Amino acid sequence: AQSVTQLGSHVSVSEGALVLLRCNYSSSVPPYLFWYVQYPNQGLQLLLKYTTGATLVKGINGFEAEFKKSETSFHLTKPSAHMSDAAEYFCAVSLYSSASKIIFGSGTRLSIRP
Amino acid sequence: DTGVSQDPRHKITKRGQNVTFRCDPISEHNRLYWYRQTLGQGPEFLTYFQNEAQLEKSRLLSDRFSAERPKGSFSTLEIQRTEQGDSAMYLCASSLEASGSETQYFGPGTRLLVL
Repeated sequence: AQSVTQLGSHVSVSEGALVLLRCNYSSSVPPYLFWYVQYPNQGLQLLLKYTTGATLVKGINGFEAEFKKSETSFHLTKPSAHMSDAAEYFCAVSLYSSASKIIFGSGTRLSIRP
Repeated sequence: DTGVSQDPRHKITKRGQNVTFRCDPISEHNRLYWYRQTLGQGPEFLTYFQNEAQLEKSRLLSDRFSAERPKGSFSTLEIQRTEQGDSAMYLCASSLEASGSETQYFGPGTRLLVL
C-alpha cells in the first residue's frame, strides 16, 4: 500500500528565507511523486512531479524537489520565500505503472512573515 | 484556471436531502476523477472514469454516493440522503491517458455544507 507523510502541518518562514517542506513516502513499486499547491477556496495546482530520470525536479514559481530513493523522501524547497507563496502544500504519490489515483499527504500550511 | 470546471461552487443543504454536482473536464481528457477533501486534510480518492466506464471506486464511496459519466465527457456526483459527515470539498480532476507521466488537472471544487 502507498502512503505519504508530511512532516509539520504548519511551517512559517520569513520573506526571503529558504523554504523546506518535508515529505516521505511509502510505496512497494516505483512511484510517481507530486507536489501540489492549494490557495484558499481554490482547487489544486501542480507544482512539480517526478516520474523517472533526473532526481532533481524543477517546478513552477521557483520550487524544486529531489527524489531520494534511499531515504524515501521528496522534500520541496525554494531558495527565497515570497509573500505569494503562502498556501497549503500537498505531497502525493501514485503508482508508477498506473496513474489511476493519487494518494495525498495531509498537507503543510506555509506562512510567510514580512 | 486549469480548464476543469465544477458547478456549483458552493452548496448548502439540509440533512436528508439529495445533492448533485457537475464536473466538466478538459475537453480532450479521457480520464476523470472525483476526490473529497475535509477540513485540514488532503484530498481522498473517491472514484475514476476512463471515458464512460467507471473503473475504480473507493471504499469511501458508500451506497448513498453515485457517479456517472454518461457520454465520456462531463460527470455528475450525486449524494442521496445527505449526512452532516458529508460536509466537505468535492474535487474533480481530469487527465489524458498516455504512457509515461500522466498529470491530473484539478477543478476549483464544490464546497458542500450539510446542516
